[in-house]
Amino acid sequence: SAVISQKPSRDICQRGTSLTIQCQVDSQVTMMFWYRQQPGQSLTLIATANQGSEATYESGFVIDKFPISRPNLTFSTLTVSNMSPEDSSIYLCSAEGQIPTDTQYFGPGTRLTVL
Amino acid sequence: TQLLEQSPQFLSIQEGENLTVYCNSSSVFSSLQWYRQEPGEGPVLLVTVVTGGEVKKLKRLTFQFGDARKDSSLHITAAQPGDTGLYLCAGVNRNTGNQFYFGTGTSLTVIP
Repeated sequence: SAVISQKPSRDICQRGTSLTIQCQVDSQVTMMFWYRQQPGQSLTLIATANQGSEATYESGFVIDKFPISRPNLTFSTLTVSNMSPEDSSIYLCSAEGQIPTDTQYFGPGTRLTVL
Repeated sequence: TQLLEQSPQFLSIQEGENLTVYCNSSSVFSSLQWYRQEPGEGPVLLVTVVTGGEVKKLKRLTFQFGDARKDSSLHITAAQPGDTGLYLCAGVNRNTGNQFYFGTGTSLTVIP
């Protein structure tokens, strides 16, 4: 298993600013993912964070808006750039173990409100 | 996109009742997972099913993977208020990539 922490847990930001969310895993993992979730609804995959190369983005998400870093096997960041109220959501980081186990471990999420 | 449809979307029942949540897709998955999420937390894995027709039990929860590996069900017996939460199924097909495709979600409320 893996324990995942995220910072910040919540934030309130002004329109036009950027926020970087950090995700730390307590063990080395191969796959890390970033999701967005509206309260009570399902998860939407933003991108797969690849170690040592550019993230792989899903349709509707672009690097300029959601730049992702993955400098090593235990850490990743997601930046929400030039924020608007439509970016208000819960952002979740997840990881799969070193050996694919068809199991994802999730962080507690970052609740973002953009005014 | 490998779409996973869950039904029902919302469910409110009395403590002690039984319920079934369905997760359906037209796509085949290598495996399928069920997660439960409580407010303010990330989803937590309940079970992974891999073999078509597989049935797994976790106390009062019974999970089944369809024979064709396209669908799954979650049955809860004698629901308790602690079962309240958002239930999510998720599938992965290693032949097409490493993404997990999440279902549309089922919000369960168990009333004491």
